[in-house]
Parts: sequence; C-alpha cells; structure tokens
Amino acid sequence: DVKVTQSSRYLVKRTGEKVFLECVQDMDHENMFWYRQDPGLGLRLIYFSYDVKMKEKGDIPEGYSVSREKKERFSLILESASTNQTSMYLCASSLGGITDTQYFGPGTRLTVL
Amino acid sequence: QKEVEQDPGPLSVPEGAIVSLNCTYSNSAFQYFMWYRQYSRKGPELLMYTYSSGNKEDGRFTAQVDKSSKYISLFIRDSQPSDSATYLCAILGNKLIFGTGTLLAVQP
Repeated sequence: DVKVTQSSRYLVKRTGEKVFLECVQDMDHENMFWYRQDPGLGLRLIYFSYDVKMKEKGDIPEGYSVSREKKERFSLILESASTNQTSMYLCASSLGGITDTQYFGPGTRLTVL
Repeated sequence: QKEVEQDPGPLSVPEGAIVSLNCTYSNSAFQYFMWYRQYSRKGPELLMYTYSSGNKEDGRFTAQVDKSSKYISLFIRDSQPSDSATYLCAILGNKLIFGTGTLLAVQP
C-alpha cells in the first residue's frame, strides 16, 4: 500500500511566521503535489514536483514555496504566514505524470492567527 | 464558469437507498473522469476511474459519463452508514481538476 504521511495533523501559527509543512511518501513515486482544500472551493493545486529539485507552479502559488531535496520528501513553505492561508493542506504523490492516480496524505489543518 | 461544478449538498439518505452524485464540466475535450471519497479528517482516496463515455461498475458503485451532456455521475446502491463521506469528482485536463465535493450522510 502507498503511504503518504504529513508531519502534523493540526498546526497553529501566528501571522508573519515562517511555516514548514512536510510530506513523505514511501513508494518511490516520481511526482508529488501540494493542494489546499477550502469549503466551496475544493482542492486547488499549489505546487507540484516531477523530480528531485524540480518544481512547477500550480494554480495558486503566491505566498508559498516548495523544496524537494530527496525523492521521498516534498516540503511546502509559507514564507510569511497570513490569515488567508488558514486551510487544510493536502500532499499527494503519483508514480507517473500528472495523469496518473494520486495518493493523498491525511492532511494538515493549519490555522494562522 | 467553473471548469467543474458539483452540488455541495449535504445529502442525507436512509440506509439502503440508492444515491446519485453528479458533476458537470465545461470542456468537451476532457477524457478521464474520477471519483474520490474523503472521510472526515482524512485525505481523499480514489474510488473509481473512467475513460470517455459509458458506465463502469465496481461492487455497489457505478460511475457514468455522458460526454454529450458533459455530465458525470456516481451511483451507490444499497447505501451503508460507512458510505458517509464527502465525494469529489475530478476531471483530468492538463491537470487534475476537482469538484468542490458533495457531503453524503447515510442514516442507519
């Protein structure tokens, strides 16, 4: 079974803090994704990575950056957290390209005060 | 117009009912259609995957695609309380485009 884990289930941060969200997958998948999920807006793609040290912007990259130093790990960074970044953050991975089945982690519920 | 539209619900049905969940989409070029199920406080998991038009059945679940109407459906027969979850349609264009999800509650 594919396992995608995320470092925290719940996180509370203050405005202006730098926030790191970590994601690890154990199936040697090439591709990894970060989404945020908000009521009424569904899942929106923030960034994805198709290889180590490679990254591509998704639909809403502003205010976020990512890092992929190792194949199994994909980090989402909020450089200066703001209240409108309060959301559920979901990491996913897939073996093939963006057309392949994506496996999701359990999510991190981030609250920015 | 959103690329994918999905009624958010919530939808509440008694155990044993047939459930119909639906999405519409705007781009007739889309070919791959998926349904994800998301339990509370969990990430989405792929439930069904279909290509082009027609039906696909897996146990109590049937996914249906009508490309002429740009309409996709997920039917759940003999619904169970364990089916209570949010159901997300997803359509593959140059990326995966998700609907907003429909919250389903199956009452025992």
